[in-house]
Amino acid sequence: AQKITQTQPGMFVQEKEAVTLDCTYDTSDQSYGLFWYKQPSSGEMIFLIYQGSYDEQNATEGRYSLNFQKARKSANLVISASQLGDSAMYFCAMREISGGSNYKLTFGKGTLLTVNP
Amino acid sequence: SAVISQKPSRDICQRGTSLTIQCQVDSQVTMMFWYRQQPGQSLTLIATANQGSEATYESGFVIDKFPISRPNLTFSTLTVSNMSPEDSSIYLCSVEDRAYGYTFGSGTRLTVV
Repeated sequence: AQKITQTQPGMFVQEKEAVTLDCTYDTSDQSYGLFWYKQPSSGEMIFLIYQGSYDEQNATEGRYSLNFQKARKSANLVISASQLGDSAMYFCAMREISGGSNYKLTFGKGTLLTVNP
Repeated sequence: SAVISQKPSRDICQRGTSLTIQCQVDSQVTMMFWYRQQPGQSLTLIATANQGSEATYESGFVIDKFPISRPNLTFSTLTVSNMSPEDSSIYLCSVEDRAYGYTFGSGTRLTVV
């Protein structure tokens, strides 16, 4: 069963507008971590933001914020004031702290974001 | 955050040959992870490498095809053996970084012809 679901293969946004990238996850563990990474066309993986399952506040890092809705098992990434340099593939990932997949990151299929001028 | 130097950054290889990818970390880390990213796809974990023990491979990946070495706490290699065009992918190493979750190397873009 797919553990990380990103339902938007591609998204378009106008420069300076905000955009939300969706991510839902599936786990039976109580302790887990959620990550968002950006992958430009160069192929490197750039860490954006992290949310722990016990964190009560939504994580924020500059223009990035994570809309964490634990009961819905969703962890959407919000990018405010989009810039042309934000055009890239975005991956949601989950780290399960306990169980057989200890320390392993599982990735969603990604969303390709294109920022239009 | 940890800094990872991954080499080579890209290579074009003949089918049937092998390529060894190296990752050097600027700090000691317990576990290193190797991922494959096939064209247009997400990242898939190949194996987890602990220093001083055999790597743990994920379902669908075998040691004969992807042998891994982990001689110390800052270095690891992944070999892609007996390559075919289906092995054309980006290969990435990663370490767990307490401050930033997981840090990745810059990737090796492999093309098999």
